[in-house]
Amino acid sequence: QKEVEQDPGPLSVPEGAIVSLNCTYSNSAFQYFMWYRQYSRKGPELLMYTYSSGNKEDGRFTAQVDKSSKYISLFIRDSQPSDSATYLCAMSGGGGAQKLVFGQGTRLTINP
Amino acid sequence: ETGVTQTPRHLVMGMTNKKSLKCEQHLGHNAMYWYKQSAKKPLELMFVYNFKEQTENNSVPSRFSPECPNSSHLFLHLHTLQPEDSALYLCASSQELARTGELFFGEGSRLTVL
Repeated sequence: QKEVEQDPGPLSVPEGAIVSLNCTYSNSAFQYFMWYRQYSRKGPELLMYTYSSGNKEDGRFTAQVDKSSKYISLFIRDSQPSDSATYLCAMSGGGGAQKLVFGQGTRLTINP
Repeated sequence: ETGVTQTPRHLVMGMTNKKSLKCEQHLGHNAMYWYKQSAKKPLELMFVYNFKEQTENNSVPSRFSPECPNSSHLFLHLHTLQPEDSALYLCASSQELARTGELFFGEGSRLTVL
């Protein structure tokens, strides 16, 4: 069993839709949860960061962590074509960035 | 120049060639990383340097040889590669070994091994 599971997609939705991206994990020691966004031919960039459980909102983006279910989500409201990218979840137990475990990424396309 | 810069952006090499990838960061960070990104696979950590000292080598074959002359520069020397080494190689930096996991990535070097 992989430590982090992420559906690779691809996922295609119309502009304005609410998008839900998800990851599950098996290591109960994970405390730091991140979402990275990677545009085509670019490197990943940190989009959202959450410590432990709960929700975090930043503009149209909401990150949600449910540690009891070992499940994290990223919601995108009023999706735009510029949101088209690959979204990578990543998490760690706090041993430093070198202990980050990444999901394989979900490729998202927002159609105008 | 800002952020993390990687050169070359694209590289094609034969299995007997020797080449190097270069990474430079302008963020004042002290930790630098090499990752391998293959299609439909998670990012694979290869090497970590903190204050120029290697702190992690994730069982990477010896045909990949890292070099970190200072906290701003990182190299990946390539020798006698295999076709399965074709991938996007990403360099990243962080403020020391960032507890939060915030990494700043370059745009990557796309390597093709013939």
